Amino acid sequence: KQEVTQIPAALSVPEGENLVLNCSFTDSAIYNLQWFRQDPGKGLTSLLLIQSSQREQTSGRLNASLDKSSGRSTLYIAASQPGDSATYLCAVSPGRGANNLFFGTGTRLTVIP
Amino acid sequence: DTGVSQNPRHKITKRGQNVTFRCDPISEHNRLYWYRQTLGQGPEFLTYFQNEAQLEKSRLLSDRFSAERPKGSFSTLEIQRTEQGDSAMYLCASSARDSLFLGGEKLFFGSGTQLSVL
Repeated sequence: KQEVTQIPAALSVPEGENLVLNCSFTDSAIYNLQWFRQDPGKGLTSLLLIQSSQREQTSGRLNASLDKSSGRSTLYIAASQPGDSATYLCAVSPGRGANNLFFGTGTRLTVIP
Repeated sequence: DTGVSQNPRHKITKRGQNVTFRCDPISEHNRLYWYRQTLGQGPEFLTYFQNEAQLEKSRLLSDRFSAERPKGSFSTLEIQRTEQGDSAMYLCASSARDSLFLGGEKLFFGSGTQLSVL
């Protein structure tokens, strides 16, 4: 069974700092990997989706990379802001559909003003 | 608001009672998912619909759970004879069929229903 691990579980950084969140998965036979953001008591917001044939995706201050063969992905956040404070989850899927998304437990990020 | 709507936001019930949650997806989305998230964990897939057809159910979905999506619009998730282990956030998400052709399915999540079973 696919297992997804996110390290660290929690991270606090001062405003303006660049940071990297890590995600690893045990089965490299994935179709895509997604990064989500979850605010306390809320649902998830999709941030970036990387297909297995891609190496990275960028959206604004966010950059996600994928090394499928080693089972790793990173989410890079540039010039962090207090509004970035949230839990970030990665999820992998063996197919196009979201019926088999395997989520990690998330990294809780706090950006200190 | 054209996002995914879930009601109620919070539900407190006593063990053994039945509860029902409702999800209204984005209107043009034909795929609808239910996930369950316990504290400190990532969401786990429960079931999904394409239009009104329930296409897959997770092994997590015991016989006490039933989901429907009449007419392919809103969906309901019912839990019968609730147990304390059912306490969790129940998340609904929807997506458009076209997103399947873009390298992956982009989900739009609701804010969830937080269930507490006493």
